[in-house]
Amino acid sequence: DTGVSQDPRHKITKRGQNVTFRCDPISEHNRLYWYRQTLGQGPEFLTYFQNEAQLEKSRLLSDRFSAERPKGSFSTLEIQRTEQGDSAMYLCASSPLEGRGNQPQHFGDGTRLSIL
Amino acid sequence: AQSVAQPEDQVNVAEGNPLTVKCTYSVSGNPYLFWYVQYPNRGLQFLLKYITGDNLVKGSYGFEAEFNKSQTSFHLKKPSALVSDSALYFCAVGDNQAGTALIFGKGTTLSVSS
Repeated sequence: DTGVSQDPRHKITKRGQNVTFRCDPISEHNRLYWYRQTLGQGPEFLTYFQNEAQLEKSRLLSDRFSAERPKGSFSTLEIQRTEQGDSAMYLCASSPLEGRGNQPQHFGDGTRLSIL
Repeated sequence: AQSVAQPEDQVNVAEGNPLTVKCTYSVSGNPYLFWYVQYPNRGLQFLLKYITGDNLVKGSYGFEAEFNKSQTSFHLKKPSALVSDSALYFCAVGDNQAGTALIFGKGTTLSVSS
């Protein structure tokens, strides 16, 4: 168990550029989640997958945000046409399939996005 | 709507003293409650959870939490604080509207002085 891995750890980009983040969950975990955390706030849920199926995406912040998990393993989160307000820490988490929502989620160390 | 409140932005305690970090929640139905800790520039680490059963839940690193249904609270406690416990603590509740997602409070910074 190597934990949840996120890449890159830091991303600096100019406003208007597209960015993509990768998350590798714990290998035996079927569920994968994306959250956004801004300074002074708790993580805010964006979307989640069960295997390759994206079961909830209504919380994505705008249509500029999209996520994929094509083979049910790693996931990517893409932000198109970045804006200043997108600057935040993007966290990925994974959990086992058992139970409706009572399994603890294991978090990666996040990708910190800074928009110039 | 479901929500979690952490009424204190910061809690200060001296090493060796007991600590409490407060959390109240609002949910429909039975709550799934969690505590996580975050160190600077790191992700969140799971401490403990309440699903059903005993109101006193024991977790990692000597932490425990007390579930009180009548007060809709889930306070985090530790009998004797360590300097290394200094970190940001988040209370969370399972989101019944979004599958298995979590709703987090704003967090409480715990500072333990030597």
